[in-house]
Amino acid sequence: DTGVSQDPRHKITKRGQNVTFRCDPISEHNRLYWYRQTLGQGPEFLTYFQNEAQLEKSRLLSDRFSAERPKGSFSTLEIQRTEQGDSAMYLCASSNPGQGSTYEQYFGPGTRLTVT
Amino acid sequence: SQQGEEDPQALSIQEGENATMNCSYKTSINNLQWYRQNSGRGLVHLILIRSNEREKHSGRLRVTLDTSKKSSSLLITASRAADTASYFCATVPPPGTYKYIFGTGTRLKVLA
Repeated sequence: DTGVSQDPRHKITKRGQNVTFRCDPISEHNRLYWYRQTLGQGPEFLTYFQNEAQLEKSRLLSDRFSAERPKGSFSTLEIQRTEQGDSAMYLCASSNPGQGSTYEQYFGPGTRLTVT
Repeated sequence: SQQGEEDPQALSIQEGENATMNCSYKTSINNLQWYRQNSGRGLVHLILIRSNEREKHSGRLRVTLDTSKKSSSLLITASRAADTASYFCATVPPPGTYKYIFGTGTRLKVLA
């Protein structure tokens, strides 16, 4: 068990470009979350998957954001037409209700996005 | 903002002292969790307290929950330099929704 991994760890892009991030959860975890964190703030919920189904999406998420989790394993988060306000750390977390500690989330190291 | 509030925003103490941080939230909860985030690292789960519990201990951590006041506190006893980090509370909603709400965090600095 290597924990939750995210790729890339850092991404610098120009405004208007599209970017895609990947998250690999802990293998037996069926719940997967995406968060955005800006400097000095706590993580802000973006979306939640249970297996391959996207069950909840933040109203803060504009149409430029989309997430997928094909086959209920890894997940991708895409941001289209990036804006400078999208600069943030994007965190992925997973959890498994079967472990007894139903609600504990395991976080990845994050992808730091800088939009220039 | 939908985030919970934490206070203080920043706390600086000497090694060996106790550190207390507080969290207030706005919605009904199933449970409340505390996480730690070291500089440059991901978040790590510390402790969970359910809505029907009032106090919980884990090693040097003590968490209290007052659902009538919608508030929680985290006490770290006999602090160490390694406890230097940001601490966040996260509220977990009742079943049916999945949106964890994190607080704004308390930045703790423990001086050796």
